[in-house]
Amino acid sequence: EAEVAQSPRYKITEKSQAVAFWCDPISGHATLYWYRQILGQGPELLVQFQDESVVDDSQLPKDRFSAERLKGVDSTLKIQPAELGDSAMYLCASSSDPGETQYFGPGTRLLVL
Amino acid sequence: AQSVTQPDIHITVSEGASLELRCNYSYGATPYLFWYVQSPGQGLQLLLKYFSGDTLVQGIKGFEAEFKRSQSSFNLRKPSVHWSDAAEYFCAVGGSGGYNKLIFGAGTRLAVHP
Repeated sequence: EAEVAQSPRYKITEKSQAVAFWCDPISGHATLYWYRQILGQGPELLVQFQDESVVDDSQLPKDRFSAERLKGVDSTLKIQPAELGDSAMYLCASSSDPGETQYFGPGTRLLVL
Repeated sequence: AQSVTQPDIHITVSEGASLELRCNYSYGATPYLFWYVQSPGQGLQLLLKYFSGDTLVQGIKGFEAEFKRSQSSFNLRKPSVHWSDAAEYFCAVGGSGGYNKLIFGAGTRLAVHP
């Protein structure tokens, strides 16, 4: 069964450092999502791609976060500089089209010290 | 505004007992509704979804959910809980068409006693 791949699974960094997360969606899925899940809460959408274009980044802290999906396949989410409040699980999901079922990867757990 | 409320933060049941997890939503159009399950440190796995049609939806692992438009609810049920069902459960609402994103509830953590 096809799955969404994410790496790394865990990341520990110090505040003010840069971090990057990678996501490879299910093959053929045009829509890719990055979510942030703070401990004890549900996931919150950070950015949504349709192919290589950003279609929703309204909740992305653009002063420190960036996301790209250059060839419309895999994607990278970057934080620079990391802050203590960025400690969370970062989840990637993909769907065949917007509004269709989203399938989630295992997530990257980030701890900022 | 679009929102999802899961009134129960934590529920404990005995193995073999029945289960109902509550979900209420607020959405301006016809909603798509989902239940996901998350084991500790893992991603989210889809249990079931409602797009249209029969309001009683069957999912994986013996779960079902009923869409009640008049009550804006989409409660998750299981007739007999297994110890492996212990996890966190998230209800989510989205829409058809456009770039509608999923709005998640805060989750309900389920503990199962032997």
